[in-house]
Amino acid sequence: DAGVIQSPRHEVTEMGQEVTLRCKPISGHDYLFWYRQTMMRGLELLIYFNNNVPIDDSGMPEDRFSAKMPNASFSTLKIQPSEPRDSAVYFCASSFGIGESGIQYFGAGTRLSVL
Amino acid sequence: AQSVTQPDIHITVSEGASLELRCNYSYGATPYLFWYVQSPGQGLQLLLKYFSGDTLVQGIKGFEAEFKRSQSSFNLRKPSVHWSDAAEYFCAVGAGGTSYGKLTFGQGTILTVHP
Repeated sequence: DAGVIQSPRHEVTEMGQEVTLRCKPISGHDYLFWYRQTMMRGLELLIYFNNNVPIDDSGMPEDRFSAKMPNASFSTLKIQPSEPRDSAVYFCASSFGIGESGIQYFGAGTRLSVL
Repeated sequence: AQSVTQPDIHITVSEGASLELRCNYSYGATPYLFWYVQSPGQGLQLLLKYFSGDTLVQGIKGFEAEFKRSQSSFNLRKPSVHWSDAAEYFCAVGAGGTSYGKLTFGQGTILTVHP
């Protein structure tokens, strides 16, 4: 398997624009996670899905952020409108199972810069 | 809520020297613990995990970690460091209860290896 695939790898946009980050999980995995990594806050979980259904979105910072998983092989994280403080590296991870039985595999990340 | 502390932000060792990266966790029940490594521009890769059983766990790339309940620690060790081990290392604890499956990461330790 190619692993978790994220696109784009880098995104530069201007404040107020809509940004869409994409993720393709490992085939057969039933959990998908979105994380954000910043110098100040480290790596924090934003939201995760089980079988395409959002389970916990308590980490989503505000209503400007939304995530969807229309099918088992694709998820998006959208920021509208974007702000400079959203600049970070966004990671997607997937796992088969959760907790003790689920190992999360991470994509290479999308580095977002909002000017 | 669970938390993870990695006391050392940056560690420098010489190639061939031994390595120990510290990790302390806070969690009310028996935790499940992970060490991940992140190379520059890459996603996180799992080094090893502890769920139960033997408190000394072996991982990839010659790494091992020891779970010490009395000290709430899960330190990562390697007897002889290679230049390719230079990266950032993250300790993570998995949650139970209503937060089952969520990982909380430490702030990371950057490892520099001198020739």
